[in-house]
Amino acid sequence: GAGVSQSPSNKVTEKGKDVELRCDPISGHTALYWYRQSLGQGLEFLIYFQGNSAPDKSGLPSDRFSAERTGGSVSTLTIQRTQQEDSAVYLCASSRRAANNEQFFGPGTRLTVL
Amino acid sequence: AQSVTQPDIHITVSEGASLELRCNYSYGATPYLFWYVQSPGQGLQLLLKYFSGDTLVQGIKGFEAEFKRSQSSFNLRKPSVHWSDAAEYFCAVKGGATNKLIFGTGTLLAVQP
Repeated sequence: GAGVSQSPSNKVTEKGKDVELRCDPISGHTALYWYRQSLGQGLEFLIYFQGNSAPDKSGLPSDRFSAERTGGSVSTLTIQRTQQEDSAVYLCASSRRAANNEQFFGPGTRLTVL
Repeated sequence: AQSVTQPDIHITVSEGASLELRCNYSYGATPYLFWYVQSPGQGLQLLLKYFSGDTLVQGIKGFEAEFKRSQSSFNLRKPSVHWSDAAEYFCAVKGGATNKLIFGTGTLLAVQP
């Protein structure tokens, strides 16, 4: 079956612009995660959605970052007023509900802020 | 707080040689532990996972890992490395009620012919 898909694969933007990154999880997966991978910080958790529960936003680095998940499926990560330090690869993952279930990762979106 | 340490940033091995990548974790309860591999330009692929039971777990591509509670370690091993194993390897622990993954800093593996 289809895996996790993300779009765009690459995004180049100018400092101060807003960007939206999209994630399509695996069908039937109720949990969705966003992570960021950067040279200085490694792989870090950003936000987690589980069904209709309130999301865990504890990893979002600033209030310029937000995410939503519509209809329990597709998710959009929005970065407002981008800064150069936002340049990174943004990875999305999904899993079934149970705690011991594997997270399946998408290929990521490489964001470059000039 | 939970954390994962991968002490080796880069490792180079010869093709056909054995491999061991180190991982130490800090977690208060019984951890859920994972090893992921990332090839250049690719997402993360799960190699293996440990939740409970047998402390020696087998994964894909001939990899295995051993959970040692007394040493807080979960080292990844492969008896004979292939050139296609060159990639970056990440150890992770699942922490907290949200099941988020906490990753180590990764080990970049190079394979010499």
